[in-house]
Amino acid sequence: GNSVTQMEGPVTLSEEAFLTINCTYTATGYPSLFWYVQYPGEGLQLLLKATKADDKGSNKGFEATYRKETTSFHLEKGSVQVSDSAVYFCALRGRTASKLTFGTGTRLQVTL
Amino acid sequence: DTAVSQTPKYLVTQMGNDKSIKCEQNLGHDTMYWYKQDSKKFLKIMFSYNNKELIINETVPNRFSPKSPDKAHLNLHINSLELGDSAVYFCASSPITNTHSPLHFGNGTRLTVT
Repeated sequence: GNSVTQMEGPVTLSEEAFLTINCTYTATGYPSLFWYVQYPGEGLQLLLKATKADDKGSNKGFEATYRKETTSFHLEKGSVQVSDSAVYFCALRGRTASKLTFGTGTRLQVTL
Repeated sequence: DTAVSQTPKYLVTQMGNDKSIKCEQNLGHDTMYWYKQDSKKFLKIMFSYNNKELIINETVPNRFSPKSPDKAHLNLHINSLELGDSAVYFCASSPITNTHSPLHFGNGTRLTVT
């Protein structure tokens, strides 16, 4: 079946540091890939997505590239802010699947 | 205009009680979902309905019963609540015919069973 593996958190960074959160997946065929963000006490918001190999999703300074050869979709941001502190979820949706399969989430804490 | 709305936002109840959570979406989607988020933030699919028909039913105790009166509404009824049911429950919607599409989530219902 489909699965998503994310790096363990928490990740603690100073403001303006570079962020990478690793995500790899296992799926049959070519799934669509997503990053969601959950701010403290809030629901899940779509951050970005990519639907085919070599697509790059981007939003709010975050980027992720769909790498079929390494089955990865790592999240990056060049300069994090305190307001980016949240839990980040990598997820996939298979071509024939209705549901989203999530990774375990990675908590990001950004300090001044 | 809230796209996916859940009520209530918080629910505190005692073991053994029965409770319901309601969800409505105004996105015109034909598929709705319930996800459970545990204390470690892990998200797990529970149920999915497409046009009022149950299409996903993961390994969930039969004390949980979803109901979809129409494609814009999906409710979750829980009987005989247990301590382990404490979690955040998220409703979501999506067009099933487009698997490129993300799921749109509500803000969650935090259920606390004492």
